[in-house]
Amino acid sequence: DVKVTQSSRYLVKRTGEKVFLECVQDMDHENMFWYRQDPGLGLRLIYFSYDVKMKEKGDIPEGYSVSREKKERFSLILESASTNQTSMYLCASSTPSGQAPPLHFGNGTRLTVT
Amino acid sequence: AQSVTQLDSQVPVFEEAPVELRCNYSSSVSVYLFWYVQYPNQGLQLLLKYLSGSTLVKGINGFEAEFNKSQTSFHLRKPSVHISDTAEYFCAGGSNYKLTFGKGTLLTVNP
Repeated sequence: DVKVTQSSRYLVKRTGEKVFLECVQDMDHENMFWYRQDPGLGLRLIYFSYDVKMKEKGDIPEGYSVSREKKERFSLILESASTNQTSMYLCASSTPSGQAPPLHFGNGTRLTVT
Repeated sequence: AQSVTQLDSQVPVFEEAPVELRCNYSSSVSVYLFWYVQYPNQGLQLLLKYLSGSTLVKGINGFEAEFNKSQTSFHLRKPSVHISDTAEYFCAGGSNYKLTFGKGTLLTVNP
């Protein structure tokens, strides 16, 4: 089974801090994604990466950046955390082969910015 | 703009009753359609997907969905639900790189 591991289940950070959310997958998937999940808003794509060092903006990239130095690891960076970034963050991966391969999700990181 | 609309934010049902969770998609969404389920304190997992061919798609845990092109719908159904089906369900559509998710439907199964 594919395993997508997010390093922290809960995080509490202060406004203005630089925050790193880490995600590792063990299935050699090319594609990796960061979503934000908020009640009543569903999942919104922040960034995705289809290869090492490659990244593309999703629907809500403002205030975030990403890093993909190794194929298995995809980091989400909040350069200066703000209270409106308090949310659940979900990482996912998929293979690009075949038609519409499924996304494999981690269990999420619940970030609170105070 | 792409959009996926889940028509009900919450659906309460009794155990062993049938259930339908409704999803409509905009015609601009590429016709790969999915249903994902999120159990409490977990990530999402795939229930089923529609790519092409037969409009009735069967998934895991006894769920099925029907693709209806004329009504731009992809409703999820189960003939008899269990307490363990209590979860949030997300409809999604799009391509390999960009999936647009609906806002979710919380299914609560009561004894």
